[in-house]
Amino acid sequence: NAGVTQTPKFRILKIGQSMTLQCTQDMNHNYMYWYRQDPGMGLKLIYYSVGAGITDKGEVPNGYNVSRSTTEDFPLRLELAAPSQTSVYFCASSYSSRPGSGELFFGEGSRLTVL
Amino acid sequence: AQKITQTQPGMFVQEKEAVTLDCTYDTSDPSYGLFWYKQPSSGEMIFLIYQGSYDQQNATEGRYSLNFQKARKSANLVISASQLGDSAMYFCAMREGGSDDKIIFGKGTRLHILP
Repeated sequence: NAGVTQTPKFRILKIGQSMTLQCTQDMNHNYMYWYRQDPGMGLKLIYYSVGAGITDKGEVPNGYNVSRSTTEDFPLRLELAAPSQTSVYFCASSYSSRPGSGELFFGEGSRLTVL
Repeated sequence: AQKITQTQPGMFVQEKEAVTLDCTYDTSDPSYGLFWYKQPSSGEMIFLIYQGSYDQQNATEGRYSLNFQKARKSANLVISASQLGDSAMYFCAMREGGSDDKIIFGKGTRLHILP
């Protein structure tokens, strides 16, 4: 039962470096999401996708990019890392059988530190 | 605009008592869903309960129930007979049912159960 798999689980970056957080799901879900969670705070939506080839900005998209070439994969790219991007990143997927329904299935999270 | 508000940053409750966690929301979409998630100190996100905007009855899942008051735009989580293992962060989330399918979260409430 793999569910949603995120890699890496931990990463330390230097300011200005770039990296990609990988996310893959094996549940054939159309909807995928990337969130960031700063210490003691809620989850902020970075980007989301309603299907392969379709992506859209969330609440805090600046400094990030995504792509969705397949149903399974939804990588998040950080360009020119900044200390403000130090956070825990969660990838999640969902189905939806009717409007507004479908809970999120979360990955375990990726802890990123930018120094 | 889609908005979720949790006004209780933290709560302390005696074990075995019932506890209500507040959540209010705002949306112009008539079709939406409301979700509650639990995040223990280990960091994973656990889905607890879902309420659809057209559901006639309040949702229940074991010790969890959702007090859904549509006119007031509130979706409070009620935990009956609290246990020490209920100590965690609790997040309210909303999913609009239109073409958007964004899912956004509130800031969370940290619940402490006292022995």
